[in-house]
Amino acid sequence: KQEVTQIPAALSVPEGENLVLNCSFTDSAIYNLQWFRQDPGKGLTSLLLIQSSQREQTSGRLNASLDKSSGRSTLYIAASQPGDSATYLCAVRTGRGGKLIFGQGTELSVKP
Amino acid sequence: DGGITQSPKYLFRKEGQNVTLSCEQNLNHDAMYWYRQDPGQGLRLIYYSQIVNDFQKGDIAEGYSVSREKKESFPLTVTSAQKNPTAFYLCASQQADGYTFGSGTRLTVV
Repeated sequence: KQEVTQIPAALSVPEGENLVLNCSFTDSAIYNLQWFRQDPGKGLTSLLLIQSSQREQTSGRLNASLDKSSGRSTLYIAASQPGDSATYLCAVRTGRGGKLIFGQGTELSVKP
Repeated sequence: DGGITQSPKYLFRKEGQNVTLSCEQNLNHDAMYWYRQDPGQGLRLIYYSQIVNDFQKGDIAEGYSVSREKKESFPLTVTSAQKNPTAFYLCASQQADGYTFGSGTRLTVV
């Protein structure tokens, strides 16, 4: 059974720092992996999608990498800002018709 | 604007009551999903539907029921059999690799 784990559960950094969020999964046979952002009491917004054949995706200050063989993905946030404060969730999709399996999330706080 | 709408935003349920959470989308997406989120946890799948008039149980379906009579609508009923329903409920629709989430309904047992 696929399991997704995110470390750390919470992270607090000063503004301007570069930071890395980690996601690991137990079964390397994934279809794709997505990173989402969730603001308090809100729904999820998709940030980056990495297909199983890809190694990384970039959008602005965000870069996500995928290493299927080791069952890991990282989300790199450059020059963090207070507006980046939110919970970040990763989710793997196990097949084309498969469902998303979520990690527990990392709650990020960027202090001014 | 295309999107997915959940209502109500807050819902209070008395012991023994059934309540229904609404989820409507105008994205013309085939698949729709219901997730439950508890504090400090990720999303757990309750039910999903990949086509009208068909739906499947997710990982935590006990105490919940759904219907999919229209492509646009996927309501979730939390029945009295769900012993611990207090949580944040999220609805999503999906087409290809794209997922769109609603803004959620927070259900509290009083």
